[in-house]
Order: sequence, then structure tokens, then C-alpha cells
Amino acid sequence: GQQLNQSPQSMFIQEGEDVSMNCTSSSIFNTWLWYKQDPGEGPVLLIALYKAGELTSNGRLTAQFGITRKDSFLNISASIPSDVGIYFCAGPPRLLSYQGGSEKLVFGKGTKLTVNP
Amino acid sequence: KAGVTQTPRYLIKTRGQQVTLSCSPISGHRSVSWYQQTPGQGLQFLFEYFSETQRNKGNFPGRFSGRQFSNSRSEMNVSTLELGDSALYLCASSLGPLETQYFGPGTRLLVL
Repeated sequence: GQQLNQSPQSMFIQEGEDVSMNCTSSSIFNTWLWYKQDPGEGPVLLIALYKAGELTSNGRLTAQFGITRKDSFLNISASIPSDVGIYFCAGPPRLLSYQGGSEKLVFGKGTKLTVNP
Repeated sequence: KAGVTQTPRYLIKTRGQQVTLSCSPISGHRSVSWYQQTPGQGLQFLFEYFSETQRNKGNFPGRFSGRQFSNSRSEMNVSTLELGDSALYLCASSLGPLETQYFGPGTRLLVL
């Protein structure tokens, strides 16, 4: 099945620094989603991208849908301690999802972010 | 609007037992999906329900089953529990199968 390769696996940064992480796939995705998960909680949707080349911001977070439709990037500017958590990229793996096929989400393995105050 | 709720939040079972987990979707959401999250395998799709019908199923053994009720609430059942079933089980709801999914807090299952 389709897989998402997410990097880096972990990051240790100082408060105030900017962060970049990315997600790649060998297959095309029509939608890219970025989630954040805090310990003991479920993932929370941060940003959704629906069009190749799309650049979307949510506060200090900015995500881009790659032109090739096989990658996506998430940037966090001026990190703060509450940014700590695991960030996942995800997407529905079927190209022709309107055909009623598999609309389930495929997830990357996550990027664990640690922010030192 | 209340989010996705899952009960119980924590559960301890022993091998061979069975377990039922419950998920109440966001009001108005008719699609419910279940995922298993483990440190080794990450987040893996179990199954998806819409209008009381299973639409998709992930690559899990038949010991994992689910159902959806007319009010869109869903339950998943795991029979003959194995140690490897210890995981965080997440439920996600959406307006429909093609809509963005919103996750609940999960049920953490420990099998001893």
C-alpha cells in the first residue's frame, strides 16, 4: 500500500527557532493533512491542503502541498514550549476516492518535536 | 460543539479476553473510522463505517470487528486478545467518507 515517509524522526530545538519537517510519498496524494498529537491524546488537525502548490498558514504554522503531489512540508516559526508533541502528515491514499474506494488515512511515522525553553 | 468522545479512556485486560470500545462522533458526523496506534507500527487504519455500513477495512485479523448504530455511534470489538493488541485505539469522525476526519482522545488498551 501507499506509505508516507516523514522526516526528521525527531527534533530538539531552542525556543524561538523555526522548524521544518517534510513528508514524501512514492504515490500521488490529492490531499495532505498535518496533525499534532500531544501525549495521551488523539491527533488534532492543524492544516489541510487540497491543491498542488497550495500554501496555507495557521498562525505560526505554514504548510505546502508539493507541486508533484508527492510531498508536503510543514514549517513552524518562532517555536514555543507548547509546540512540543508529535507531528504527523497524513492523506487518503486513493487517487480516485470519489469512486467510493478507500478513503482511509495513511499516516507518516511522525516527527517528535522537543522545544527547550 | 462537543468533540469525538471515546469510552473507556483506559482499559486493562488479559490475554484471551475480549474487549468492546465505544466512540461517539461529533454531532452531525455520519462517518466513523478506527485506528490503532503503537510505537512500532504508528497509526494504522482498522475500519470505516458510514450509515451503519462498513466501507473499508484495513489489514487486521478477523478478531477485530466493529459496527455502527443508527445514531452514528460506533463500537469496535477485539476478541481473543493478544499481548500485541496493546495500543492506543483512536476513533475519528467526519461529516462523510470524503470529509476531513477529527480524532477522539483514544482508548489506551493494555493486554497482560
